[in-house]
Amino acid sequence: GDSVTQMEGPVTLSEEAFLTINCTYTATGYPSLFWYVQYPGEGLQLLLKATKADDKGSNKGFEATYRKETTSFHLEKGSVQVSDSAVYFCALDNQGGKLIFGQGTELSVKP
Amino acid sequence: DSGVTQTPKHLITATGQRVTLRCSPRSGDLSVYWYQQSLDQGLQFLIQYYNGEERAKGNILERFSAQQFPDLHSELNLSSLELGDSALYFCASSVEGLRNNEQFFGPGTRLTVL
Repeated sequence: GDSVTQMEGPVTLSEEAFLTINCTYTATGYPSLFWYVQYPGEGLQLLLKATKADDKGSNKGFEATYRKETTSFHLEKGSVQVSDSAVYFCALDNQGGKLIFGQGTELSVKP
Repeated sequence: DSGVTQTPKHLITATGQRVTLRCSPRSGDLSVYWYQQSLDQGLQFLIQYYNGEERAKGNILERFSAQQFPDLHSELNLSSLELGDSALYFCASSVEGLRNNEQFFGPGTRLTVL
């Protein structure tokens, strides 16, 4: 079945460092891909999405490109802030709304 | 604030009991989803409703059931509770429940089974 694999955390960075969180997926067909973020004590919020190969999703300085050839959707940000500390989830949707999530990657940014 | 509301925020109960979690979707959204987040299983899709009808089912136990009412709010019923059912239960909603629709998540209900 469909699945998502994320790099394990926690990831600890200093403020203004470059961030990469790896995400790869296994799916038949052409799923839509998403990154969600969960701040402490809150629900998930959509960070960005891409719906077809080579699409780049971007929001709040975060970017991810849908790479069908490598089945990847890595999340990047050029300069992280303390306020980016959260848990990040990669997810795919191949069946009209049923999101399949990776295990989540906790990011901690130190001043 | 996503516009999705869930009640209660916290629920503490005993094994063998039954509880009901409630979700109100964003205004205008017709589709509701339920997810379970636990330490060992991660975030798992349970079930989806669209305009009152069940549309998709995931890893939902037979002891769990859900429904979506005519006013579009949804309830998730968990019965014969076990310790392993302790988790955060999220509700999400989207406009139509299609593949590219953004899902908006509620703040969750934390269930503790003692």
